[in-house]
Amino acid sequence: NAGVTQTPKFRVLKTGQSMTLLCAQDMNHEYMYWYRQDPGMGLRLIHYSVGEGTTAKGEVPDGYNVSRLKKQNFLLGLESAAPSQTSVYFCASSILGKDLRSEKLFFGSGTQLSVL
Amino acid sequence: GIQVEQSPPDLILQEGANSTLRCNFSDSVNNLQWFHQNPWGQLINLFYIPSGTKQNGRLSATTVATERYSLLYISSSQTTDSGVYFCAVYTNAGKSTFGDGTTLTVKP
Repeated sequence: NAGVTQTPKFRVLKTGQSMTLLCAQDMNHEYMYWYRQDPGMGLRLIHYSVGEGTTAKGEVPDGYNVSRLKKQNFLLGLESAAPSQTSVYFCASSILGKDLRSEKLFFGSGTQLSVL
Repeated sequence: GIQVEQSPPDLILQEGANSTLRCNFSDSVNNLQWFHQNPWGQLINLFYIPSGTKQNGRLSATTVATERYSLLYISSSQTTDSGVYFCAVYTNAGKSTFGDGTTLTVKP
């Protein structure tokens, strides 16, 4: 059981380049999330998805796009990378509880992205 | 949006000591979770606790939703408890806000 898998683990981009981060989960979770973590700070929500084919903006969505074409995958795209997007990116997933609350989150191991 | 404040920001303990970490939030929440981020960056869910009290070994957590706070208790701390402890709240289906964390250092 792999849980939540993120690829790649490390990436260096030049300003203006594009890339896609892949998150895959094998737990049949409805909810998936993308967060970024800057040094000394907590996680900030970029985008999230409450099910296949749906996405929604989080706290810091500008400069990012997402897609959830399959339930098990959640893609995060940077169309034109900027140095301000240098960060550690975490993907997470959770089930939808009976009371429609997002339950226990499971995190991937993170992607260290540097934009030069 | 909702504000989440964690205290203290930093905590240094001797091995074997007990500690209490606090999370205050500014509005009603549907869900609250505590996480531990180890020195290698891995995030582990400790508790899913929208209300009430839960215990897991040396760790326990209490959330008083009506008073908008949650507490994480660590007893008989060990060096492996070191890392950053985050509180995260959820105000509607899916959307979350994390606090800035408490950095715990346990010295042998």
